[in-house]
Amino acid sequence: QVQLVQSGAEVKKPGSSVRVSCKASGGTFSGYPFSWVRQAPGQGLEWMGGIIAVFGPANYAQKFQGRLTITADESTTTAYMELSSLRSDDTAVYYCARGGVYASLLGWFDPWGQGTPVTVSS
Amino acid sequence: QSVLTQPPSVSGAPGQRATISCTGSSSNIGAGYDVHWYQQLPGTAPKLLISANNNRPSGVPDRFSGSKSGASASLAINGLQAEDEADYYCQSYDGSLRGSVFGGGTKLTVL
Repeated sequence: QVQLVQSGAEVKKPGSSVRVSCKASGGTFSGYPFSWVRQAPGQGLEWMGGIIAVFGPANYAQKFQGRLTITADESTTTAYMELSSLRSDDTAVYYCARGGVYASLLGWFDPWGQGTPVTVSS
Repeated sequence: QSVLTQPPSVSGAPGQRATISCTGSSSNIGAGYDVHWYQQLPGTAPKLLISANNNRPSGVPDRFSGSKSGASASLAINGLQAEDEADYYCQSYDGSLRGSVFGGGTKLTVL
């Protein structure tokens, strides 16, 4: 059974960057997609982007193009999300989630990490 | 504004049936992409409830069922229980946006 454990809460200044990690254990890492989804306070879920380790570059939601970098390290079975030029409206809980369909970003998300709160404040 | 449209809230008495709709368009659900459903209890991460329109993962009670028709999908919950109070989200893929999209979420209240 795959488990995803994310890094801890972050407090950042506007204009800075944040990097969140997502360590996978107990299952297959390579070939499965890993996505990042965020949830602003009191709001719904928003897909940010995803990556399939080994299969090429990450795919990003247009909203985050140029500000978001998603990577995956097979050697440590860890996925990373780095968001730059942070603004106050980037304050949210950031989740990683493994995709359910091998080699495809079209499927469902299961399991999810526990979430990493990121606060952007001066 | 979410790409997939869900009602903000639904409610029902214990034992009754609740239905949550998810309306998309010709670039996502209507294009044939699968719909998936998640349950999010307060303060926790979302949990997969239904995959690929109507498949329940192991451990999900058979009170939960999903369906899809045209550019819409629905989640039905039979025999409502107090523990079903949560937020529910639908998710699909959008071919025009080239990425996953979510509904805005529906808060289920068990009266």
